[in-house]
Amino acid sequence: AQSVTQLGSHVSVSEGALVLLRCNYSSSVPPYLFWYVQYPNQGLQLLLKYTSAATLVKGINGFEAEFKKSETSFHLTKPSAHMSDAAEYFCAVSATGANSKLTFGKGITLSVRP
Amino acid sequence: KAGVTQTPRYLIKTRGQQVTLSCSPISGHRSVSWYQQTPGQGLQFLFEYFSETQRNKGNFPGRFSGRQFSNSRSEMNVSTLELGDSALYLCASSPLEIPETQYFGPGTRLLVL
Repeated sequence: AQSVTQLGSHVSVSEGALVLLRCNYSSSVPPYLFWYVQYPNQGLQLLLKYTSAATLVKGINGFEAEFKKSETSFHLTKPSAHMSDAAEYFCAVSATGANSKLTFGKGITLSVRP
Repeated sequence: KAGVTQTPRYLIKTRGQQVTLSCSPISGHRSVSWYQQTPGQGLQFLFEYFSETQRNKGNFPGRFSGRQFSNSRSEMNVSTLELGDSALYLCASSPLEIPETQYFGPGTRLLVL
């Protein structure tokens, strides 16, 4: 079984500051890991994914995440926050395999202060 | 390519009614998954269809059902609606070449009164 823990429900940063959103996972098999972003009244947009290739994954909009097996973590970072980054962010895990469901964390709301 | 489309976008129903939601996947995608999003329970997996067959099912009551057509379009049905069924219902599709990656539609927001 797979699970994801996203500590805290809300993160607030100043524009231009570092963004760090934490995600820890639990998986009984090698996992696939994902970060999705959701803007108000919209669906989920894929930011980036880890599928057992490079441990440092670069995504869209300047985001990246590093897979650390020893820490069972997949934290999302962005060097410099922009006002347009304000949204809800979800970390998700699935088991390797073609028909695997996504198991999501509870999400973190990112606010960006001017 | 056009993204995943879902219809209708908004829906209001009353308790006891039934509802059918529709999802058209990205062209060429044959796998379609459905998720329910609520403030209390977050995002929960409902079911997944591939080539008209249900491959995976989440932990939801039998009132929730789905199907997939030969053109990969999918529908989900909820019968005997309850207040707790009010949610955003998201559909996602996956391509054969990267089946682990799901692309989401904008969702259908269902309000049960």
